[in-house]
Amino acid sequence: DVKVTQSSRYLVKRTGEKVFLECVQDMDHENMFWYRQDPGLGLRLIYFSYDVKMKEKGDIPEGYSVSREKKERFSLILESASTNQTSMYLCASSSGSPWATEAFFGQGTRLTVV
Amino acid sequence: QQQVKQSPQSLIVQKGGISIINCAYENTAFDYFPWYQQFPGKGPALLIAIRPDVSEKKEGRFTISFNKSAKQFSLHIMDSQPGDSATYFCAASGGTYKYIFGTGTRLKVLA
Repeated sequence: DVKVTQSSRYLVKRTGEKVFLECVQDMDHENMFWYRQDPGLGLRLIYFSYDVKMKEKGDIPEGYSVSREKKERFSLILESASTNQTSMYLCASSSGSPWATEAFFGQGTRLTVV
Repeated sequence: QQQVKQSPQSLIVQKGGISIINCAYENTAFDYFPWYQQFPGKGPALLIAIRPDVSEKKEGRFTISFNKSAKQFSLHIMDSQPGDSATYFCAASGGTYKYIFGTGTRLKVLA
């Protein structure tokens, strides 16, 4: 059974803290993504990575950074957490096939910044 | 040009009825159009997907209709069941590895 695993289901952090969200996939996928999900706004892409140490900004990268040191692991970093970053964060992965294919999602991390 | 517009935002259907969710896109480079289903507390999971070389794809009670000239696609859920109550996202991809998602439709099927 293919799997994308996010390290935490729920997190509560204080304003100004540096926050790390971890994601691991076991499918040997080249592509990995971080999305943010907010009611009425759908899934918005924060960053994606198409190879180890490669990354591209998505639609809402401000206040976030990412790290991909190994193929199976993609980390999202909130440099200085703010209350407007309270949200559901979803990690996903997909193969590097030339044809777009299915993206597999993790179960999500609900982050609350207080 | 990168947007995918989804409607309605919410939908209530009686058991046994047909649920219809619509999406529209602008970028003609998109060549993959999946629908994802998300239950509360879970990540989205692929339900059904279509490529633009066909106008319709059916899997069980779920059908995607695709209109390339109008740049629209829709999800039809036949014989809707309470277990279908979930949030549905359309998406589009092509040209890059990115997926552009619609804003989601919360479906409630009444028993």
